[in-house]
Amino acid sequence: DAGVIQSPRHEVTEMGQEVTLRCKPISGHNSLFWYRQTMMRGLELLIYFNNNVPIDDSGMPEDRFSAKMPNASFSTLKIQPSEPRDSAVYFCASSLKGREKLFFGSGTQLSVL
Amino acid sequence: AQSVTQLGSHVSVSEGALVLLRCNYSSSVPPYLFWYVQYPNQGLQLLLKYTSAATLVKGINGFEAEFKKSETSFHLTKPSAHMSDAAEYFCAVSGPGTGKLIFGQGTTLQVKP
Repeated sequence: DAGVIQSPRHEVTEMGQEVTLRCKPISGHNSLFWYRQTMMRGLELLIYFNNNVPIDDSGMPEDRFSAKMPNASFSTLKIQPSEPRDSAVYFCASSLKGREKLFFGSGTQLSVL
Repeated sequence: AQSVTQLGSHVSVSEGALVLLRCNYSSSVPPYLFWYVQYPNQGLQLLLKYTSAATLVKGINGFEAEFKKSETSFHLTKPSAHMSDAAEYFCAVSGPGTGKLIFGQGTTLQVKP
């Protein structure tokens, strides 16, 4: 299996632009998580899905952030409009529901100028 | 609510010396506890996990951790550090069956020759 695949690996954009991060979980996994990592705040859980349904989005910073999971093999995290304080590494992880071993992607390094 | 606190953002040891990374948790329900490792420019990988079975848990690469309820601790140890152990280590907690991991701030381990 190729593991959790995230794209792009790096994204540089200007403030105010829309940013879309993509994630393909491991086939067969039915839980998907989006995390954000910064030096100041560490790893923060933004949102997670079970069976494509959002379960807990309490970590989403504000309305500029939205996440979707239209099917079991694809999820997006969108930021519109982006701001410099959104600069971070965004990780996607997947697991089998009820199994706590998360498999992480390599992350997307987002820089908002 | 659940949380973990990692004591010491940076730990430096000599090659061959004991590694001790500290983690204390707070949980209103019996916790599941984890240690993950992150190498530069990569996602996180699971080292070991405690899920209410044996309190001494052995993981990959010679690491182990002991769950101590009385101390609300889950410290990570390795008898002899290798240069390849240099990385960032994260302690995490979840409620049983939720799959939702809350991470600590991380500890960077430096191994000196």
